[in-house]
Amino acid sequence: DADVTQTPRNRITKTGKRIMLECSQTKGHDRMYWYRQDPGLGLRLIYYSFDVKDINKGEISDGYSVSRQAQAKFSLSLESAIPNQTALYFCATSDPTTGGETQYFGPGTRLLVL
Amino acid sequence: DAKTTQPPSMDCAEGRAANLPCNHSTISGNEYVYWYRQIHSQGPQYIIHGLKNNETNEMASLIITEDRKSSTLILPHATLRDTAVYYCIVTTSGTYKYIFGTGTRLKVLA
Repeated sequence: DADVTQTPRNRITKTGKRIMLECSQTKGHDRMYWYRQDPGLGLRLIYYSFDVKDINKGEISDGYSVSRQAQAKFSLSLESAIPNQTALYFCATSDPTTGGETQYFGPGTRLLVL
Repeated sequence: DAKTTQPPSMDCAEGRAANLPCNHSTISGNEYVYWYRQIHSQGPQYIIHGLKNNETNEMASLIITEDRKSSTLILPHATLRDTAVYYCIVTTSGTYKYIFGTGTRLKVLA
């Protein structure tokens, strides 16, 4: 969905390096999410944010941190990258409604940690 | 949160209807059934969702059984571009929780 963009799309880094993945959205949604996907598996939630001042840990937050700079921007950082953080990373947004809560996903960032 | 069970893979001939089943026997009254698909390693794409009634949009139809313990996503005329992994997710309105399983890998055959 072009309304949710992620940069970079591909990244190779070395063990121990700090890296940041960025997500921007033009959908005007308050809620934003970071997921990771390992080969052959479904997505798992890393962090989520319901608004600029509300950030919460998800299922697998160890080794990650996030920053919500504005309603439209949500960044994921790996403080000291390790090889088992090699994965696909997706950002998503949602707008809770009475008819469910549809999440809209970005195109993903493929991260390789050597 | 209710869990879902889907077959790991299915094949469908191009032009035929693809019927993808999902079991969610522990679903509660306020939980919605959502369907997404992921083509190659792209971001999951929303398809359709429903609570109790059957739903239809330009992409697909969603049939939910009366007891709501299972559902079927129907792609009426599958094309090669529908080849993807399809995820069935059960979630409560207003909650962030999407629990992704391993989905069904649909292969549309020419």
